[in-house]
Amino acid sequence: AQSVTQPDIHITVSEGASLELRCNYSYGATPYLFWYVQSPGQGLQLLLKYFSGDTLVQGIKGFEAEFKRSQSSFNLRKPSVHWSDAAEYFCAVGSTSGTYKYIFGTGTRLKVLA
Amino acid sequence: KAGVTQTPRYLIKTRGQQVTLSCSPISGHRSVSWYQQTPGQGLQFLFEYFSETQRNKGNFPGRFSGRQFSNSRSEMNVSTLELGDSALYLCASSEAGGGAEYFGPGTRLTVT
Repeated sequence: AQSVTQPDIHITVSEGASLELRCNYSYGATPYLFWYVQSPGQGLQLLLKYFSGDTLVQGIKGFEAEFKRSQSSFNLRKPSVHWSDAAEYFCAVGSTSGTYKYIFGTGTRLKVLA
Repeated sequence: KAGVTQTPRYLIKTRGQQVTLSCSPISGHRSVSWYQQTPGQGLQFLFEYFSETQRNKGNFPGRFSGRQFSNSRSEMNVSTLELGDSALYLCASSEAGGGAEYFGPGTRLTVT
């Protein structure tokens, strides 16, 4: 069955520390991969996406993600977290073959300590 | 450019009624997709429209339907509302599909 797993429901980091949010997927075809951020004032926003090509993807707000096919993972990283990064982050997977569908992970809520 | 707009922003309906939600994509975007967000089920894909055609549909009952007009604006309809339909309904637009790029603020539907 197709699925997306975000193992960490909550993560707390100190401002200035590095961040890695995990995302694992199970998908039959080569997937499209996405990371979104949702915060009360900003709504849901696309951070980055991977369709093909370079497996290291750069996104907005200083985020990047790496697609690792062998590990079925698409982890999101940021070298130095800012207090404004506190939000909920969602990983999503879409199909590249057949009927296009979307599956979202359950989300990781990030708390940033000053 | 104006962003994705959704109307109404808040809605209260009674069980058994029907509701229509509207989404206006960013100018020039031909793909509109819809999502349901609830605390229990999280974010779920409803359907995607591209150039007035439904391209994809998630695993929702037939009570959930939608359409897209020639100006790319889209509507979503839910008939025979159930309490479990209470949710935040989000729409998103993109130029050519292949993933939601820009989201609207959502419509908060409460079914009593």
